[in-house]
Amino acid sequence: AQTVTQSQPEMSVQEAETVTLSCTYDTSENNYYLFWYKQPPSRQMILVIRQEAYKQQNATENRFSVNFQKAAKSFSLKISDSQLGDTAMYFCAFMWTGNQFYFGTGTSLTVIP
Amino acid sequence: GAVVSQHPSRVICKSGTSVKIECRSLDFQATTMFWYRQFPKQSLMLMATSNEGSKATYEQGVEKDKFLINHASLTLSTLTVTSAHPEDSSFYICSARQGASSSYNSPLHFGNGTRLTVT
Repeated sequence: AQTVTQSQPEMSVQEAETVTLSCTYDTSENNYYLFWYKQPPSRQMILVIRQEAYKQQNATENRFSVNFQKAAKSFSLKISDSQLGDTAMYFCAFMWTGNQFYFGTGTSLTVIP
Repeated sequence: GAVVSQHPSRVICKSGTSVKIECRSLDFQATTMFWYRQFPKQSLMLMATSNEGSKATYEQGVEKDKFLINHASLTLSTLTVTSAHPEDSSFYICSARQGASSSYNSPLHFGNGTRLTVT
């Protein structure tokens, strides 16, 4: 069975600062994909970034980047230059060839002006 | 980008009645759609995987007779909550993966969710 763990239920960061959200997972699979989704108060799920497990290079999307450590089964999200609009729940997600997504428990991020 | 439309966004029903929630992929075909349930300040819990033209696959602990899923076409899946009770009140979200079911590297696209309140 696949499990996804986010150990930080709540976090806060000052506007313009950098924050890192942690995620660990457990799997016996070798080919899989990892995602970070954002859920603002509107409850809409928005894809932030994704990482293929077979790629060594960490994915980046503008202010968002990941630190993927496959051996440690760790997949953290770094948000640089935090903006007020980044305030949301963030979910780490794992997907494998079994065609199912598994979500972590979520981290509530608040950006403080 | 890929758009998933979910309707209704909010529904209030009386205990004992049934409610149908629709999930449509507007600009792509979705062989597989997923239904999630989310309690306040909690994660998304996968309820079932909806496969076009075949029976849905339910997660352990989800009553298939209570949560009826139909995936009659490549762009539409429906979730019917039958004989609803107050404990069924929750936020339900559908999602679809763009591309063939074997394209497991494609991200999920989500509907805006349905808030169900059973009185």
